[in-house]
Amino acid sequence: SSELTQDPAVSVALGQTVRITCQGDSLRGYYASWYQQKPGQAPIVVIYGKNNRPSGIPDRFSGSSSRNTASLTITGTQAEDEADYYCDSRDSSGNHVIFGGGTKLTVL
Amino acid sequence: QVQLQESGPGLVKPSQTLSLTCTVSGGSIRSGDYYWSWIRQHPGKGLEWIGYIYYSGSTYYNPSLKSRISISVDTSNNLFSLKLSSVTAADTALYYCARFYSTYYYESSGYTRGYFDYWGQGTLVTVSS
Repeated sequence: SSELTQDPAVSVALGQTVRITCQGDSLRGYYASWYQQKPGQAPIVVIYGKNNRPSGIPDRFSGSSSRNTASLTITGTQAEDEADYYCDSRDSSGNHVIFGGGTKLTVL
Repeated sequence: QVQLQESGPGLVKPSQTLSLTCTVSGGSIRSGDYYWSWIRQHPGKGLEWIGYIYYSGSTYYNPSLKSRISISVDTSNNLFSLKLSSVTAADTALYYCARFYSTYYYESSGYTRGYFDYWGQGTLVTVSS
């Protein structure tokens, strides 16, 4: 299937660790990218590849992958991390982008 | 610093064609490493990839929208454009243009297949009579 499944909402206490997952057959053997979107803003990439952070992304963000599941982990979550997070991959053709449905992260 | 800026009408009538332009600054659209993309977001919903274009004109479209989409590139003016025909209220959304870094390499136990590294701020298009 060419779908990516994310939990709609996740919450985490300030300073704690949270894992956001993305599941789909298209992830077998491929890494997802992860995007953070804050209200009223365009998404920004926070993780790409196995576990690569663009310049300016704090090192509390990390990525991992196992079989058909990609994970974004935030260690020591900060209030400013409250946002929607999206994963992406490609469909079975490899030519078309697919996004997960997004996870709304609430920092308590 | 690469910047992308969407422009176009904010209101389109049903059955008409939505036309948007994305102007790229701070980098050449002719760079061989990138695909130039359109993505939309329905109000309160997630991201939907519309399609992208290479500077040579090669395109890939979302299969669910393919019959209504046309993406073109103007390398002389460093911009690319989206046309979406026969619009309905379901096409009301925030439309983003974005640069997709096209890469493909093996790392540890899997492949990396590119990612969207720069985005415009988005433009809201409402379909209404």
